[in-house]
Amino acid sequence: AQSVTQLGSHVSVSEGALVLLRCNYSSSVPPYLFWYVQYPNQGLQLLLKYTSAATLVKGINGFEAEFKKSETSFHLTKPSAHMSDAAEYFCAVSDRDDKIIFGKGTRLHILP
Amino acid sequence: DAGVIQSPRHEVTEMGQEVTLRCKPISGHDYLFWYRQTMMRGLELLIYFNNNVPIDDSGMPEDRFSAKMPNASFSTLKIQPSEPRDSAVYFCASSPRQGSQPQHFGDGTRLSIL
Repeated sequence: AQSVTQLGSHVSVSEGALVLLRCNYSSSVPPYLFWYVQYPNQGLQLLLKYTSAATLVKGINGFEAEFKKSETSFHLTKPSAHMSDAAEYFCAVSDRDDKIIFGKGTRLHILP
Repeated sequence: DAGVIQSPRHEVTEMGQEVTLRCKPISGHDYLFWYRQTMMRGLELLIYFNNNVPIDDSGMPEDRFSAKMPNASFSTLKIQPSEPRDSAVYFCASSPRQGSQPQHFGDGTRLSIL
């Protein structure tokens, strides 16, 4: 069965600094991987997804993630944080036709 | 293009009352999911449907919870009787297929049981 682990329930970065949110997965087959963002009082919105094409995936709002099979990782990055990036971020994994399993989330705080 | 629509957005009721949460998925999506989100437990999958048929309800907490999908454009999640520990944000999501396609979430129903 697949699983996903997000390292750090809270991450703080300064405005303009690099954002790095970590996600490791476990899957018995090549997985589908997703990052979602949740703003206050809203549902989850898709940031980006990996479906076995390019290993570097670009998403909305300047975010990108790199699939590294050897490290079973799918970390989310953004070169320069903006105040509007403050939100909760969820990594998710799916084994082809199985359910999507969500991580516990990482709350990103942006310091002025 | 309308997204997933949930109603009501907020619900406050007293313990013991019946609560009904509603969801309209995106047209053409065959899968519908109900989630519960709390600070303590995070995001939990309660039940999901494929073509209006419940496939996996192993996440439903107990018999007080029930979900139905009478047609492709409507689903309900009922709690009867409600308890204070049911207070949470309940999300509905839909997707065109399982696995490879992302789920599209509604804005949720914030439920408070007094």
